[in-house]
Amino acid sequence: KAGVTQTPRYLIKTRGQQVTLSCSPISGHRSVSWYQQTPGQGLQFLFEYFSETQRNKGNFPGRFSGRQFSNSRSEMNVSTLELGDSALYLCASSSGGGRGNTEAFFGQGTRLTVV
Amino acid sequence: TQLLEQSPQFLSIQEGENLTVYCNSSSVFSSLQWYRQEPGEGPVLLVTVVTGGEVKKLKRLTFQFGDARKDSSLHITAAQPGDTGLYLCAGDYNQGGKLIFGQGTELSVKP
Repeated sequence: KAGVTQTPRYLIKTRGQQVTLSCSPISGHRSVSWYQQTPGQGLQFLFEYFSETQRNKGNFPGRFSGRQFSNSRSEMNVSTLELGDSALYLCASSSGGGRGNTEAFFGQGTRLTVV
Repeated sequence: TQLLEQSPQFLSIQEGENLTVYCNSSSVFSSLQWYRQEPGEGPVLLVTVVTGGEVKKLKRLTFQFGDARKDSSLHITAAQPGDTGLYLCAGDYNQGGKLIFGQGTELSVKP
């Protein structure tokens, strides 16, 4: 069974640019969550999509957005990049909500560097 | 706002020693997960605990879930250099797919 695939693995962007990250979940999983990981803040929840609908959102500015397609693949977009957006962006796949059903399986992440 | 406090933040021990990592919250979890992460990689799920008082073992790792489902611990017996990594606890507060992560415990096991 294939794991969670995130592309690209590494990305270098300039301030003010925008970026799109992609995530393919485990086959059969309908929930995709995105997290930002930085040394100072740890793992911070960005948003979660379930069956193409955003079900939950973290405390990030509107520059961070996402979507999910009918095949459960998800994309995350960050517009007007700032230096502070440099981080490891992680995508997590799970079968869905409900008690005990939030076991999350992570991809390898996309390392975004903003210069 | 749910917070998950994980301690200690850093741990450096010799091979063969035992250690315990703690994860505490003021709120009740629906479930709690433990992950291990290596540099530049995504977290890898170790275990999920759901029932208060539950104990799960994974080779030399023992995971406990508090009776009130507000705290958890990870105990490693006879640590080995291969156990080195970042250990993360993550709480599910029944918010539909959202996990709250502790700050992590950076474990270094020296041969």
